[in-house]
Amino acid sequence: DAGVTQSPTHLIKTRGQQVTLRCSPKSGHDTVSWYQQALGQGPQFIFQYYEEEERQRGNFPDRFSGHQFPNYSSELNVNALLLGDSALYLCASSYFGAGSYNEQFFGPGTRLTVL
Amino acid sequence: AQSVSQHNHHVILSEAASLELGCNYSYGGTVNLFWYVQYPGQHLQLLLKYFSGDPLVKGIKGFEAEFIKSKFSFNLRKPSVQWSDTAEYFCAVNSQNTGNQFYFGTGTSLTVIP
Repeated sequence: DAGVTQSPTHLIKTRGQQVTLRCSPKSGHDTVSWYQQALGQGPQFIFQYYEEEERQRGNFPDRFSGHQFPNYSSELNVNALLLGDSALYLCASSYFGAGSYNEQFFGPGTRLTVL
Repeated sequence: AQSVSQHNHHVILSEAASLELGCNYSYGGTVNLFWYVQYPGQHLQLLLKYFSGDPLVKGIKGFEAEFIKSKFSFNLRKPSVQWSDTAEYFCAVNSQNTGNQFYFGTGTSLTVIP
């Protein structure tokens, strides 16, 4: 049973560029959440997708957007990259029917470096 | 918004020493509490979770945590650490009001010296 997978593993971009990160949830999961983990910090919630819609959003600007596909996989898009966007981006999957009584399974992350 | 505080940023212990990592949260309602671990080069993994019932929760690898509602705390403990416990430990909280949105602490880096 494959866990949560993310691609790419590493990415280097320059300021002003756009980036797309991808995530495939664990088998049986239908909800995908995205987190940003800056160096030395805990993961910060960006947003969550369920049924191809953004259900919840953290305190991130509109430059951060996402998408969920019918197979539950998801993309995170970041436009107009800033140096401060350099971080590890984590994807977590869960089962929406469990509500808050759920365990989020995390992927290995994508390390984004903005130069 | 909820917040989670982990006051121990870096902890260094010798093998067989006892471990206690602090975690406090700010939300006053009903919460669910989690401890995640991130071993070097690996992804976040769940150590243990508390939803309700017995406030003393046992997790994997000999870890346990105690939920003390009056203190808004969920401290992680292990009686005897091993070198393989060297990792980053994160406390997280969510609630019915926040749904699936998890709030994480800043993490505690544990180094166990053989």
